[in-house]
Amino acid sequence: GEDVEQSLFLSVREGDSSVINCTYTDSSSTYLYWYKQEPGAGLQLLTYIFSNMDMKQDQRLTVLLNKKDKHLSLRIADTQTGDSAIYFCAESHMNTGFQKLVFGTGTRLLVSP
Amino acid sequence: KAGVTQTPRYLIKTRGQQVTLSCSPISGHRSVSWYQQTPGQGLQFLFEYFSETQRNKGNFPGRFSGRQFSNSRSEMNVSTLELGDSALYLCASSSEFGGGGYTFGSGTRLTVV
Repeated sequence: GEDVEQSLFLSVREGDSSVINCTYTDSSSTYLYWYKQEPGAGLQLLTYIFSNMDMKQDQRLTVLLNKKDKHLSLRIADTQTGDSAIYFCAESHMNTGFQKLVFGTGTRLLVSP
Repeated sequence: KAGVTQTPRYLIKTRGQQVTLSCSPISGHRSVSWYQQTPGQGLQFLFEYFSETQRNKGNFPGRFSGRQFSNSRSEMNVSTLELGDSALYLCASSSEFGGGGYTFGSGTRLTVV
């Protein structure tokens, strides 16, 4: 079935690293995404990874994929107060033509000075 | 390059009325999808259109419908509004099959009173 799970809340200090975790349903052909939502705004695509990859790095962002445990994580290095937002993990499958995103519940990241 | 544009940003309607929301995708993007975001249900997929054809549909009642025009602009319609239809409606566009990630608009906040 379709199920993407995330922890609800994470609090860090400015300058620390943040790690947001997600578990997803298994598929051999899956894209996994991280989106950021600030108050009153839409969703901003941060990064994505295909299921045949283990890691992807983009500036301060590192995505790690553990296919065995069906676990995805987003690490934000040197977290800033501007990173405070809700972060959504999402997946799309080849069996739906990658046309449909299934989202997790979102993790609220609070960065304190 | 202009992003995904949704109009209007805010809307207040009365129960029983109908509403039409509009979405203009990024120039060159042919895939448009719609999502409903509520505090209780999170982000849920409504439908996806490509070249004026609906390719995928979520689990919503028939009161929710959509269409796509030849210029890729899309509209969604909700008839006989219910209080539970109050939500943020998000539109997203993609250049091809969506595997590379969808770009979201800022959304339309619909309040049904």
